[in-house]
Amino acid sequence: DTEVTQTPKHLVMGMTNKKSLKCEQHMGHRAMYWYKQKAKKPPELMFVYSYEKLSINESVPSRFSPECPNSSLLNLHLHALQPEDSALYLCASSQGGSAPYEQYFGPGTRLTVT
Amino acid sequence: KNQVEQSPQSLIILEGKNCTLQCNYTVSPFSNLRWYKQDTGRGPVSLTIMTFSENTKSNGRYTATLDADTKQSSLHITASQLSDSASYICVVSALYAGGTSYGKLTFGQGTILTVHP
Repeated sequence: DTEVTQTPKHLVMGMTNKKSLKCEQHMGHRAMYWYKQKAKKPPELMFVYSYEKLSINESVPSRFSPECPNSSLLNLHLHALQPEDSALYLCASSQGGSAPYEQYFGPGTRLTVT
Repeated sequence: KNQVEQSPQSLIILEGKNCTLQCNYTVSPFSNLRWYKQDTGRGPVSLTIMTFSENTKSNGRYTATLDADTKQSSLHITASQLSDSASYICVVSALYAGGTSYGKLTFGQGTILTVHP
């Protein structure tokens, strides 16, 4: 199974709402990632979890809060977002470590902030 | 500053024809280079991954080359199909201090390929 799943596929939320994006993989990968992708732009790295610990935070605003409950799950909690946060949010996973392991991407969650 | 530049920005070809996409990078220290295919609204799917010592790698009709001296890579698609229509993204990974390579990817802007019947 080389699949990364993400839910929901689409999400519309107001600026005062609190919502969460979910990501799951069962490949035994120990590194998981959140990316943000605007239309016609490449993905931008937001967070990296390695062995369930946050190892990279690319200066993301605090209205985005990641969580890694276990080695298979990755959440992104959203609160007080702005319309410019509307984007495709991609989750990815890899074996991690020092070798050039491939990152497997999920299908993404299309987020619209109204 | 680490950068990845791709050309052309967009390309239109007829079904059955071949094409080559280009990628130049200035990422240092270099770890590996990947080519991804991304359909609209979907996550990227890996086509190839190459380290410093690899010059070429194939995956079906996709063949990637890497020249680590000139910091250039190409992706050649043979006998194109309608399903090849997508964005092709060149991604270069840099080493973090301590030798770990995960996470720090520099993405190119992508080449949008359209295959017409």
